[in-house]
Amino acid sequence: DAGVIQSPRHEVTEMGQEVTLRCKPISGHDYLFWYRQTMMRGLELLIYFNNNVPIDDSGMPEDRFSAKMPNASFSTLKIQPSEPRDSAVYFCASTKQGTTRDNTEAFFGQGTRLTVV
Amino acid sequence: AQSVAQPEDQVNVAEGNPLTVKCTYSVSGNPYLFWYVQYPNRGLQFLLKYITGDNLVKGSYGFEAEFNKSQTSFHLKKPSALVSDSALYFCAVRPLDSSASKIIFGSGTRLSIRP
Repeated sequence: DAGVIQSPRHEVTEMGQEVTLRCKPISGHDYLFWYRQTMMRGLELLIYFNNNVPIDDSGMPEDRFSAKMPNASFSTLKIQPSEPRDSAVYFCASTKQGTTRDNTEAFFGQGTRLTVV
Repeated sequence: AQSVAQPEDQVNVAEGNPLTVKCTYSVSGNPYLFWYVQYPNRGLQFLLKYITGDNLVKGSYGFEAEFNKSQTSFHLKKPSALVSDSALYFCAVRPLDSSASKIIFGSGTRLSIRP
């Protein structure tokens, strides 16, 4: 498996524009997480899905952020409109249910570095 | 509230010396515990995990971690540090309650190994 795949790797956009980040989890994983990493706030969990259903979106900073998982192999994180304070590295991670010793840890993508100017 | 604490923002160690990166947690029940490493401009890489059994677990690159239930700690250790170990290290927990199975990360500790 190629691992968790995120695109784009880098995104530079102007304030007010819509930004869409994409993630392809590892095949067979039934949990998908979106995290945001900044120097000030560290690694924050934004939202996570189980079997394509959003379970906890309490980490989503505000209504400008939305996430979807239309099927088991694809998820998007959308910011509309974007603001400079959204600049961060956004990570997607996937894992399995965790009912056995071998299926507990999360695997991360390489991240998308977002810069909003 | 469920949380993970890494009390040290930075740990500095001379090459060849032992290293310890501290982690404590606050969750209900018996969670799964993890350590991850992040190199510059990369995603997080899994190092090791504790599920059940022996309190000392071994992982990648010669790292090990010791689970202490009474102190709710899971400190990362290595007997002899290498310059190449310099990176950002994250402790994480996965609570096993019925309502959630999310993975909660600590704030990270930057490990710097000097030659």
